[in-house]
Amino acid sequence: KAGVTQTPRYLIKTRGQQVTLSCSPISGHRSVSWYQQTPGQGLQFLFEYFSETQRNKGNFPGRFSGRQFSNSRSEMNVSTLELGDSALYLCASSVDRPNTGELFFGEGSRLTVL
Amino acid sequence: GENVEQHPSTLSVQEGDSAVIKCTYSDSASNYFPWYKQELGKGPQLIIDIRSNVGEKKDQRIAVTLNKTAKHFSLHITETQPEDSAVYFCAPWGGTELTFGQGTILTVHP
Repeated sequence: KAGVTQTPRYLIKTRGQQVTLSCSPISGHRSVSWYQQTPGQGLQFLFEYFSETQRNKGNFPGRFSGRQFSNSRSEMNVSTLELGDSALYLCASSVDRPNTGELFFGEGSRLTVL
Repeated sequence: GENVEQHPSTLSVQEGDSAVIKCTYSDSASNYFPWYKQELGKGPQLIIDIRSNVGEKKDQRIAVTLNKTAKHFSLHITETQPEDSAVYFCAPWGGTELTFGQGTILTVHP
């Protein structure tokens, strides 16, 4: 059974640009959650999608957005990049709500903003 | 929102010793308490979890204990091995999302 796949694994952008990250969940999983991981702030919740609908959203500015497709694949977008957006972005999938079963994480997309 | 504090931030033990990491949360409605292990270059992986109707759960060398009255739960690792070296996170569920603690860097010396 394939795990959670995130692409790209590494990317470098400059301030003001935008970036799109992709996440393919485990087959059969309908919930996809996104987290930002930085050394200073740890793991912070961005948003969760379930059946193409945003179910929950963390405390991030509107520059951070996401969506989920009918096949449960998800993308997140960050517009007008700032230096502070440099982080590891982790995607996780679960069958339903993350507390109803194991939450499986991908290996992340490491974004560097110069 | 949920406030989570995890201690200690770093923990160094000799192989074979026990390790204990404590997580304190604020939301009395929290009802799901997982622990995740993150190895270098990888995403977090669930290692054990407990629900609010249970006080303790064991899985081989790993155990989790929950004190709902005091609002804290702890990860216990016995007979530690070098491969246990990693960052460990608690992540109580407050009803909408998992809120991760700041992490504990565990180093097991051979």
